[in-house]
Amino acid sequence: QKEVEQNSGPLSVPEGAIASLNCTYSDRGSQSFFWYRQYSGKSPELIMFIYSNGDKEDGRFTAQLNKASQYVSLLIRDSQPSDSATYLCAVNSGFNQAGTALIFGKGTTLSVSS
Amino acid sequence: ETGVTQTPRHLVMGMTNKKSLKCEQHLGHNAMYWYKQSAKKPLELMFVYSLEERVENNSVPSRFSPECPNSSHLFLHLHTLQPEDSALYLCASSQGGSPNSPLHFGNGTRLTVT
Repeated sequence: QKEVEQNSGPLSVPEGAIASLNCTYSDRGSQSFFWYRQYSGKSPELIMFIYSNGDKEDGRFTAQLNKASQYVSLLIRDSQPSDSATYLCAVNSGFNQAGTALIFGKGTTLSVSS
Repeated sequence: ETGVTQTPRHLVMGMTNKKSLKCEQHLGHNAMYWYKQSAKKPLELMFVYSLEERVENNSVPSRFSPECPNSSHLFLHLHTLQPEDSALYLCASSQGGSPNSPLHFGNGTRLTVT
């Protein structure tokens, strides 16, 4: 059973702080990793993806991947109240020519206080 | 219209009813998906279609029946559902052929089975 684990939170940070969201996965053959943000009552929206070990930065967001430790994280710098949402980690373990069958974690709820 | 559109947004049905959920994507993708999102559980992959052929069926009960008449449209036919089937049903699409191709989600259908 392929699994993706996340701390459900809530993770509470003050405005302007760095929020650190973590995710571990069970399948060593996993190839690509995605972070989605989901506001309450809305559908998930893609923030970033990463497939190579190391860091990938996009604006205030940094994704970090360590395949040896089967660990992926998302850092949000200068957190804003608008970042308050549930963050879903997703792992593509079953890639084939057909598409991207992602396995999702339960998500971590982030609350940024002003 | 752009993106992934789902209808209806909300649906209430009795256990003996038959209804259908509709999804349409305007992104030129060739793979479409149905996911189920229940409270306190991770997103569950139900079905994957690539080039109108079903390529994955994750042990979903037969009371859920998907249909993909072309690469832009996807349906989920529902009959004799159970109250535990109440959830948010999300449609997504992606460009098959790449492990890094992210999923683009629709706004979902909130289903309540009474």
